[in-house]
Amino acid sequence: SAVISQKPSRDICQRGTSLTIQCQVDSQVTMMFWYRQQPGQSLTLIATANQGSEATYESGFVIDKFPISRPNLTFSTLTVSNMSPEDSSIYLCSVGRDISNNEQFFGPGTRLTVL
Amino acid sequence: GDSVTQMEGPVTLSEEACLTINCTYTATGYPSLFWYVQYPGEGLQLLLKATKADDKGSNKGFEATYRKETTSFHLEKGSVQVSDSAVYFCALSDQSNAGKSTFGDGTTLTVKP
Repeated sequence: SAVISQKPSRDICQRGTSLTIQCQVDSQVTMMFWYRQQPGQSLTLIATANQGSEATYESGFVIDKFPISRPNLTFSTLTVSNMSPEDSSIYLCSVGRDISNNEQFFGPGTRLTVL
Repeated sequence: GDSVTQMEGPVTLSEEACLTINCTYTATGYPSLFWYVQYPGEGLQLLLKATKADDKGSNKGFEATYRKETTSFHLEKGSVQVSDSAVYFCALSDQSNAGKSTFGDGTTLTVKP
């Protein structure tokens, strides 16, 4: 298993500002992912955070809006840029050990409200 | 592409009732299948998994069997408790998709005493 922490756990932000969410894992992991979970809905994958290179974004998500860093195998950040109320959501970090053992472990999430 | 279809909720049961949450999938490769649970105010936790056809995953009294012929992975429990109230997500992960997971829409279960 893996223990994952996220900061902040929640925040209330003003329209037009940006928020950076941190994800820290207690051990080195191969794969890290960022998801969005809008109220009452399922998880939508935003991107795969790649160590030492640019993240791989899913359709509908772009780097300018959701820049991601992954400087090492235990840490990643997701920034939600130029926020609007539509960005209000729970943002989840998850990790996987390797592609062959594709169970994922999730962080507790960051609950973001944009006014 | 890959997809997961879950039984729509919400589901409300009395304590000790039987539970079945249906899940079917489509995948291009040979996926692993998972059930995750999200308790109120918490993140997702893995409940059980199965990695190949006919495997049965089990945990905390919950079971699900990987049925390749019907592309299903239904979640079952013989006697639910109030503490089982949560949102349950069926998911698949395919090695051919770089380890990414595809999630169903989630089913909210409420168990009443």
